[in-house]
Amino acid sequence: DAGVTQSPTHLIKTRGQQVTLRCSPKSGHDTVSWYQQALGQGPQFIFQYYEEEERQRGNFPDRFSGHQFPNYSSELNVNALLLGDSALYLCASSLGSIPGQAASGEQYFGPGTRLTVT
Amino acid sequence: RKEVEQDPGPFNVPEGATVAFNCTYSNSASQSFFWYRQDCRKEPKLLMSVYSSGNEDGRFTAQLNRASQYISLLIRDSKLSDSATYLCVVGSLNFNKFYFGSGTKLNVKP
Repeated sequence: DAGVTQSPTHLIKTRGQQVTLRCSPKSGHDTVSWYQQALGQGPQFIFQYYEEEERQRGNFPDRFSGHQFPNYSSELNVNALLLGDSALYLCASSLGSIPGQAASGEQYFGPGTRLTVT
Repeated sequence: RKEVEQDPGPFNVPEGATVAFNCTYSNSASQSFFWYRQDCRKEPKLLMSVYSSGNEDGRFTAQLNRASQYISLLIRDSKLSDSATYLCVVGSLNFNKFYFGSGTKLNVKP
């Protein structure tokens, strides 16, 4: 059973550039959430995608955008990179709905993409 | 005020000790509660969901106090392998948005 995968694992970009990060959810999951984790901090919620729509968004500027594809995989795009965008970007998958049951909300994380902006 | 607050620790305990962590949350409308563990430079892994009636999984016991808006995690008979950062997570209605605490670091010593 394939878990959550993310690519690339590491990335170095220059201030002002744009970056795209990718995520494939755990088999059977239809919901993808993205998080930013700075060193020594807990993950901060960026947004969540379900049925190819952004369902909820955290306190992040419009420079952060995303997309979900029909196969449930997802991309996170960050434009006009700032030094402060350097962080570990985590993707988490979950089940948005289970027929006949309430969703559990349990999330499974990928290994993350470590982005360094210089 | 942060949505979820945790004591950062570190908690340094000997093997076999019992240790407890607390976490408080600010939004009384929160609907789901979890504990995750995160090893150094790794992704968070779900430890357990927290239910209103409290729940236990082996050496781990989680409790939820909605009136006081706090969640606790008790670890009995600590093992060296329990050394990690423990993250408290609170979810909104419909599980659309999740707030993580900054984590509590646990060091279990031989």
